[in-house]
Amino acid sequence: GNSVTQMEGPVTLSEEAFLTINCTYTATGYPSLFWYVQYPGEGLQLLLKATKADDKGSNKGFEATYRKETTSFHLEKGSVQVSDSAVYFCALREIQGAQKLVFGQGTRLTINP
Amino acid sequence: GAVVSQHPSRVICKSGTSVKIECRSLDFQATTMFWYRQFPKKSLMLMATSNEGSKATYEQGVEKDKFLINHASLTLSTLTVTSAHPEDSSFYICSALLGGGAGYTFGSGTRLTVV
Repeated sequence: GNSVTQMEGPVTLSEEAFLTINCTYTATGYPSLFWYVQYPGEGLQLLLKATKADDKGSNKGFEATYRKETTSFHLEKGSVQVSDSAVYFCALREIQGAQKLVFGQGTRLTINP
Repeated sequence: GAVVSQHPSRVICKSGTSVKIECRSLDFQATTMFWYRQFPKKSLMLMATSNEGSKATYEQGVEKDKFLINHASLTLSTLTVTSAHPEDSSFYICSALLGGGAGYTFGSGTRLTVV
């Protein structure tokens, strides 16, 4: 079946550090890929997405590129801020059926000032 | 934007009682809703998919008689945890499929604690 694996957390960085959160997937075909962010006490919010190979999703300084060769969708940000502290989820949308989302296990990110 | 309001945000109940969690779409019609369960330090696990006016489709291993899902209108879906036990304690999140390829919107989640 389809699955998503993302790097184990928690991740703690200092402000202005470079961030990478790894995400790899196993899927039939070429699903759409997503990064969601969950701030404390809130629901999941879409951070960025990519719908086909070599697409780059970007938002709020975050970027991720759909790499079909390595089945990866790593999240990066050049200079993190304290306000980026949250839990980040990588996900894929199944191509067939009810278009379910399959999530990675989530990575908790803490940015210290 | 499309918003799903989920209530309650936190609930504590006694073993053996039932708890109802509601998700309302505030400014759009939600034909399809997904219900997820999130264990501590674990991913979101899809429990079931509900379509308005029809029976929910449960994922393998999810007890449909224990986790009752009702999607009787285009703006309301409910999850009832029946005869709750401490092992049902978890974080439950609903999500609505947006039309036109717009993706999904999520509720803010419900923290259920069964004592």
